[in-house]
Amino acid sequence: GIQVEQSPPDLILQEGANSTLRCNFSDSVNNLQWFHQNPWGQLINLFYIPSGTKQNGRLSATTVATERYSLLYISSSQTTDSGVYFCAALYYNQGGKLIFGQGTELSVKP
Amino acid sequence: DAGVTQSPTHLIKTRGQQVTLRCSPKSGHDTVSWYQQALGQGPQFIFQYYEEEERQRGNFPDRFSGHQFPNYSSELNVNALLLGDSALYLCASSPGVSGHYGYTFGSGTRLTVV
Repeated sequence: GIQVEQSPPDLILQEGANSTLRCNFSDSVNNLQWFHQNPWGQLINLFYIPSGTKQNGRLSATTVATERYSLLYISSSQTTDSGVYFCAALYYNQGGKLIFGQGTELSVKP
Repeated sequence: DAGVTQSPTHLIKTRGQQVTLRCSPKSGHDTVSWYQQALGQGPQFIFQYYEEEERQRGNFPDRFSGHQFPNYSSELNVNALLLGDSALYLCASSPGVSGHYGYTFGSGTRLTVV
């Protein structure tokens, strides 16, 4: 069935370290979004990235649509990067429904 | 430019009661979708509204219903509340139903059913 899988489920880093989060999806996507969920529950959009590479400050993302995966890179991590990161896929045959992965919980220690 | 606003932020209800959650979309967005997020899980799609009609529905019972108003704002209604309905309810808005240009989410309403 239609799935979105994220890895790792949990990640603990020391401040200043780099990390890579992975998102695998099971079919062709119309769009792929990465979100950061803050402690108050709000999903903050990081990237819309159905293909290619985008960068925004210390964060960058790459989606390889033909191989059905996306990567989120966080460089020089800060404690404020802590939280849960979700990827969500918009599949062509699923209309406007975003399908979320289970998330990666990131904890950055000072 | 206001983003997506949801009210209330927190709510406690008793099993069997009914609840209404509200959402105002981001300026320029005409489509509203609702998601339920249980603790420790990713959000699950409930339904999407466009042009005041339900356009798409996820795997949720009829106890979950909604409405969209001419100003694009939306309500989510849940009847006969169950303990399992306790969750964070997120509203997302987008320009158009396809979602191709991405979704903007609100801060959510945290519902506790006791």
